[in-house]
Amino acid sequence: ELKVEQNPLFLSMQEGKNYTIYCNYSTTSDRLYWYRQDPGKSLESLFVLLSNGAVKQEGRLMASLDTKARLSTLHITAAVHDLSATYFCAVDHNTDKLIFGTGTRLQVFP
Amino acid sequence: DTGVSQNPRHKITKRGQNVTFRCDPISEHNRLYWYRQTLGQGPEFLTYFQNEAQLEKSRLLSDRFSAERPKGSFSTLEIQRTEQGDSAMYLCASSARIGYGANVLTFGAGSRLTVL
Repeated sequence: ELKVEQNPLFLSMQEGKNYTIYCNYSTTSDRLYWYRQDPGKSLESLFVLLSNGAVKQEGRLMASLDTKARLSTLHITAAVHDLSATYFCAVDHNTDKLIFGTGTRLQVFP
Repeated sequence: DTGVSQNPRHKITKRGQNVTFRCDPISEHNRLYWYRQTLGQGPEFLTYFQNEAQLEKSRLLSDRFSAERPKGSFSTLEIQRTEQGDSAMYLCASSARIGYGANVLTFGAGSRLTVL
């Protein structure tokens, strides 16, 4: 059974600092997705990573994928308050369904 | 197109009652998914459809849960004889595969169920 784990589960960081969220998954997959969820809202797609070594960047967020290590990272550069949200990674392991991680709740303070 | 639409947004019911949620996906999308999310957790897969065919159901989906997508457009998720443990956010998502292997789900705002 495919399992997806994220760490940390909760991250409180100061504005301007850098940090990385980690996503580990238990079986081989070439497709990794990152989503953002604001409190009381639904999930919004951020990145799709489709191959080993893939890197995607949008603003202060950069996601990467290492399929051999079964690891994806979401790096936050110079955090700002607007990035406060819960971030989920998801993997689909050659099926049409996505299996989500437990999420990382990010809080950015002044 | 206004995205994935779910109704009702919030449903409060007494234990033992039946509830039904509706999802209208993005019109060009052939796949439709139902997930359940509880507080502090990631979405858990329940079931999905390709057009009108229900292709997979999670073991989480007990006999009290049934989903339909009769004409390959909107879908309904019915929960019979609700229990307090059914209280959760029920998320609907739709997708159309883009390129090789990518399956980006677009989620609706969700239907929150509270069972008293």
